[in-house]
Amino acid sequence: EVQLVESGGGVVQPGGSLRLSCAGSGFPFGIYWMTWVRQAPGKGLEWVANIKKDGGEKYYVDSVGGRFTISRDNAQKLVFLEMNGLRAEDTAVYFCGRGRGYDATNYYPGMDVWGQGTTVTVSS
Amino acid sequence: SYELTQSPSVSVSPGQTARITCSGDALSNKYAYWYRQQKSGQAPVLVIYEDSKRPSGIPERFSGSNSETLAALTISGAQVEDEGDYYCYSTDYTGNYWVFGGGTKLTVL
Repeated sequence: EVQLVESGGGVVQPGGSLRLSCAGSGFPFGIYWMTWVRQAPGKGLEWVANIKKDGGEKYYVDSVGGRFTISRDNAQKLVFLEMNGLRAEDTAVYFCGRGRGYDATNYYPGMDVWGQGTTVTVSS
Repeated sequence: SYELTQSPSVSVSPGQTARITCSGDALSNKYAYWYRQQKSGQAPVLVIYEDSKRPSGIPERFSGSNSETLAALTISGAQVEDEGDYYCYSTDYTGNYWVFGGGTKLTVL
């Protein structure tokens, strides 16, 4: 079964840090871009960050640039989101998702698998 | 920063056609994706990818189109179980920065 499972959420004070993890299984993790998106309470979905299959390219939404870092460990089939300088407005459910995939000969549309989410609450 | 614009809500009766639109300048040469979220905080479900392709398991009544700067999700013969929030998703011109539309709440009753 193709699956993504997030962990690492919790309650943190403003200015604090958290590291979210996302474990992939059931698919060739290392050929896919990976994505983090979030949803604040009562709000819509917001793209947060992307990382290329080899980790060589990373992109962030403006509001988290310089504070959040996306990384991956393909051997362990994990993608991470290191969050520093957390603010109240970062409070949200964070989802990881599978992006597009590429291997030597094929393209895989992806964009189809998301984890169940992990909740981050930034509050004093 | 790049934005995708969706109308906040659409309401139809069961069996009618629901059309949800998404506008954005880069849609003229970037794919649109559509997700349904039946409850806030739940994982989004892909219903259309690459403008008009339907993932396995998604009913045939779901279809998509993308023309110039307007993408559309059409549900032909909407059913009560189709209710939820629908989000379009695409990239800016660089292809590197992704964005969701604000979401459209579909009501079928």
